[in-house]
Amino acid sequence: AVQMTQSPSSLSASVGDRVTITCRASQDIRNDLGWYQQKQGKAPKLLIYAASTLHSGVPSRFSGSGSGTDFTLTISSLQPEDFATYYCLQDDNYPWTFGQGTRVEIK
Amino acid sequence: QVQLVQSGAEVKKPGASVKISCQASGYAFPAYYLHWVRQAPGQGLEWMGIINPSGGSATYAQTFQGRLTITRDTSTSTLYMELSSLRSDDTAVYFCARRDCIGSPCYFAYWGQGTLVTVSS
Repeated sequence: AVQMTQSPSSLSASVGDRVTITCRASQDIRNDLGWYQQKQGKAPKLLIYAASTLHSGVPSRFSGSGSGTDFTLTISSLQPEDFATYYCLQDDNYPWTFGQGTRVEIK
Repeated sequence: QVQLVQSGAEVKKPGASVKISCQASGYAFPAYYLHWVRQAPGQGLEWMGIINPSGGSATYAQTFQGRLTITRDTSTSTLYMELSSLRSDDTAVYFCARRDCIGSPCYFAYWGQGTLVTVSS
């Protein structure tokens, strides 16, 4: 199975900060990677798919990049509603695998 | 609009089985593969398995081989997940999710609300 290593596991940031989260795959997964945001007690929400395509309705401050094994999610200017946990998910082959998650907290 | 509505919370004893449902609406049920994902308390997301609602074939994560059965009822557009030989570490919120694909990249745009399964003696 493809292992997804996500970092950092948590971070503290202020409103307006630029935030970067990374995921590294244990093998080439092309651009078959998505990013999800999860708030406490809720189902995850899709932010980015195909590594860099913004899902409909997602604010443009979210962006994704990368291909192969190294991927990045960037929030250009953190907003109060962005404090949540973020996961990457590889959909290149089964079993699909998630990163361990990054909790974004208020500084 | 697309909706995935899951059944309610369950409490089970160790060794028992649980079967939870996910009713789909707002789209052609056979047209999209459906997955199950779970999340233990305070932990990350774990992919469990997938079913092709059209043919009924399912694929499971190795972790659950022999204990997990995913089925569907096309007449009611309902997906099911049955997990047997429950252990305390199966306590989790279980989510169904619809797989959407644009060519190769696929993703989960639609999720159920989650069903809490508690395994406790």
